[in-house]
Amino acid sequence: DVKVTQSSRYLVKRTGEKVFLECVQDMDHENMFWYRQDPGLGLRLIYFSYDVKMKEKGDIPEGYSVSREKKERFSLILESASTNQTSMYLCASSPDRDTEAFFGQGTRLTVV
Amino acid sequence: GESVGLHLPTLSVQEGDNSIINCAYSNSASDYFIWYKQESGKGPQFIIDIRSNMDKRQGQRVTVLLNKTVKHLSLQIAATQPGDSAVYFCAEKDQGGKLIFGQGTELSVKP
Repeated sequence: DVKVTQSSRYLVKRTGEKVFLECVQDMDHENMFWYRQDPGLGLRLIYFSYDVKMKEKGDIPEGYSVSREKKERFSLILESASTNQTSMYLCASSPDRDTEAFFGQGTRLTVV
Repeated sequence: GESVGLHLPTLSVQEGDNSIINCAYSNSASDYFIWYKQESGKGPQFIIDIRSNMDKRQGQRVTVLLNKTVKHLSLQIAATQPGDSAVYFCAEKDQGGKLIFGQGTELSVKP
């Protein structure tokens, strides 16, 4: 079974802190994704990586950056957390461009 | 029961009835489409997919229909059960592999 693991289920951080959300997949997938999910807005793509050290902006990249130094790990970075980044963050991976993506359980981040 | 995609985010059906969830996708260049189910507190789970060279695909109790002319996707669930209650998302993949989601429809099954 594909396993996509997000490092934290719940996280509380202070405004202005630098926040790292980690995601690891164990199936040698090429593609990895970070989304945020807010009520009434569905899943919005923040960043997408199609290979190690390769990334592409999604629909809402402002305030975020990503790192993919190894194939299995895709990190989402909030350079200076703000209260409007309070959300559910979902990581996903996909073997290639022509198959479905598999999701982690999500990290509920609260910025106070 | 039937939803009208992005403008009707809630669908309520009687147990045993068929459900139809609709979705309008945005990118005419998208060539791969997926339906996901998300239960409370969990990440989205794959239900069924369809490629752009097909217009219909069937799974166990689920059927996906694709109309490329009007950029419309639907998910049909036969004999809806209480366990089908969840939020359903359609998603499209473009030729670069970027996966974009629709807003979602919450399905509620009445016993």
